[in-house]
Amino acid sequence: EPEVTQTPSHQVTQMGQEVILRCVPISNHLYFYWYRQILGQKVEFLVSFYNNEISEKSEIFDDQFSVERPDGSNFTLKIRSTKLEDSAMYFCASSYDRTNTEAFFGQGTRLTVV
Amino acid sequence: AQSVSQHNHHVILSEAASLELGCNYSYGGTVNLFWYVQYPGQHLQLLLKYFSGDPLVKGIKGFEAEFIKSKFSFNLRKPSVQWSDTAEYFCAVNAQGQGGKLIFGQGTELSVKP
Repeated sequence: EPEVTQTPSHQVTQMGQEVILRCVPISNHLYFYWYRQILGQKVEFLVSFYNNEISEKSEIFDDQFSVERPDGSNFTLKIRSTKLEDSAMYFCASSYDRTNTEAFFGQGTRLTVV
Repeated sequence: AQSVSQHNHHVILSEAASLELGCNYSYGGTVNLFWYVQYPGQHLQLLLKYFSGDPLVKGIKGFEAEFIKSKFSFNLRKPSVQWSDTAEYFCAVNAQGQGGKLIFGQGTELSVKP
């Protein structure tokens, strides 16, 4: 069964450092998403991406964040200068369509900023 | 703005007990509704979804959910839980025609005692 894969599973970084979280979406999917879940809180939408550009982003997704699909298979989330409050589980998801279809999620990357 | 509320933070049941997890959403337009499950250490998996038609939807592993439009609810049910149903359950909403963004509830942790 096709699946979304994320690497690494756990990343520890120092405050102020840049991190890149990687995702390989399902191969024939066209829409890609990042979500995050701070411990004990809701899963929150960060950004959606289609046709090599951001289609929607939340208030959380400020200038410190960026996304990229550098090579047609990977989908990355970069945090330029991490803050303590960026510590969370980050989920990547992909879907074939953006309406009336299921989003498939990766297993998540736990980011710990120290 | 859309929001999703799950009534129970943590539910503890014995095997064979019946389960009902509440989910209410706030949105004035037409929505797609989802229940996702996250087993310990695993990724979010779709249990079931409602787009249109019969408001009683059946999902995997014996789960079902009923969409009651007048109550803005989409409660998840299972007649007889098993120890293997121990997981976190997330209700999510997607506003039709507004992209693939999912709005999640805060999750309900289900613990089933053998």
